Amino acid sequence: GIQVEQSPPDLILQEGANSTLRCNFSDSVNNLQWFHQNPWGQLINLFYIPSGTKQNGRLSATTVATERYSLLYISSSQTTDSGVYFCAVGQGGKLIFGQGTELSVKP
Amino acid sequence: SAVISQKPSRDICQRGTSLTIQCQVDSQVTMMFWYRQQPGQSLTLIATANQGSEATYESGFVIDKFPISRPNLTFSTLTVSNMSPEDSSIYLCSVDRGGGLGYTFGSGTRLTVV
Repeated sequence: GIQVEQSPPDLILQEGANSTLRCNFSDSVNNLQWFHQNPWGQLINLFYIPSGTKQNGRLSATTVATERYSLLYISSSQTTDSGVYFCAVGQGGKLIFGQGTELSVKP
Repeated sequence: SAVISQKPSRDICQRGTSLTIQCQVDSQVTMMFWYRQQPGQSLTLIATANQGSEATYESGFVIDKFPISRPNLTFSTLTVSNMSPEDSSIYLCSVDRGGGLGYTFGSGTRLTVV
């Protein structure tokens, strides 16, 4: 089956810093989403981005489908950005998750 | 776009018992998905639930342990049967909102088995 790899696995930032999270996938996909899981376990959909670039406030994402990777950019990080960021890809009607990047933003 | 109500939000259960988790969607959807997230791990798909047919289970998950009902196009339940401490996880339901919006998830059920 398709493999989804995220890097880095862990990231510690000082408040105000910028970061880039990466997601590599091993096969063609018809869907790619980035999620943020908050400390209470709730999954928040950040982007639906099977290709191209999108921006939402301090967050932006780029997917290069032909090269099978996606990037999530976080600028001017805040403590509320802490949590786990998941990349998930869709194939055959199923959504398959990477292992996540655990982000900790220190004040 | 679909909104999902999931309950219970959390529960603590005795080993050997069963827990049924409910998901209600505010619009009709063809498929509903059930995921498990073990502590410190990513999400793993348990099964896909279609209305009017038996659920399709992923490798490593069986109907006897995780029976699923899908009585109509807006509702589904997942039962975790004969629980053991290894079943302690977050369980989430999900639907594809379609129209280029992607999948959305319920708020999850945090299960602890003692």
